[in-house]
Amino acid sequence: QVYLVESGGGVVQPGGSLRLSCAGSGYSFGAHGMHWVRQAPGKGLEWVAFINFDGGNKYYADSVKGRFTISRDNSHSRLYLQMRSLRGEDTGVYSCARVSTQDVVRGFKKMASYYMDVWGKGTTVAVYS
Amino acid sequence: EIVLTQSPDTLSLSPGERGTLSCRASQSISSSSLVWYQQKPGQAPRLLIYGASSRATGIPDRFSGGGSGTDFILTISRLEPEDFAVYYCQHYGNSPPWTFGQGTKVEIK
Repeated sequence: QVYLVESGGGVVQPGGSLRLSCAGSGYSFGAHGMHWVRQAPGKGLEWVAFINFDGGNKYYADSVKGRFTISRDNSHSRLYLQMRSLRGEDTGVYSCARVSTQDVVRGFKKMASYYMDVWGKGTTVAVYS
Repeated sequence: EIVLTQSPDTLSLSPGERGTLSCRASQSISSSSLVWYQQKPGQAPRLLIYGASSRATGIPDRFSGGGSGTDFILTISRLEPEDFAVYYCQHYGNSPPWTFGQGTKVEIK
């Protein structure tokens, strides 16, 4: 069975920091890119950050750029999100998600399709004074 | 940045009925990049459809996806009680941001 389990959430004051962790099991962790996705209370899904399989490429949503850092330790099957200068609008459930790919044929063209196929249940971050 | 707009925001249907959910992109996208997820309260999102029309492993055939360009559809042919949930489309293109639509809630009428 493939699992992703997040930890590290909590209550923090505005301006504070937290480090989230995501542990992967049941698959070759280092073979997949990984995302962090968050969901504010009662709201939809918001993409936060991505790291490719070996950590060589990282991307961030504009809303967190310069404040959050994504990293990974493939030797321990772990994904991290270091969050600094936290704001109230960062409150929500943070989930990690695995990226997988499959070729699809559309018309006469074969193309690669990417998607988030395994998700953790999330860890809750609450930012308030 | 591609913006995805889902409609309707809420769909009220009875079990056994057909549900049709729409996802419109702000500009034309490759059908290979359109993904659908289902989320139930308190649960993680679940992959349903990738490449606009390919069902993920274990997804029942009452779920089907289609569309191209800017307009995509998720169809649930006969709603089962476990299908009442929120559905999100996502544009998983070659570069960030990997945006989601705002979601469509399918509720019991």
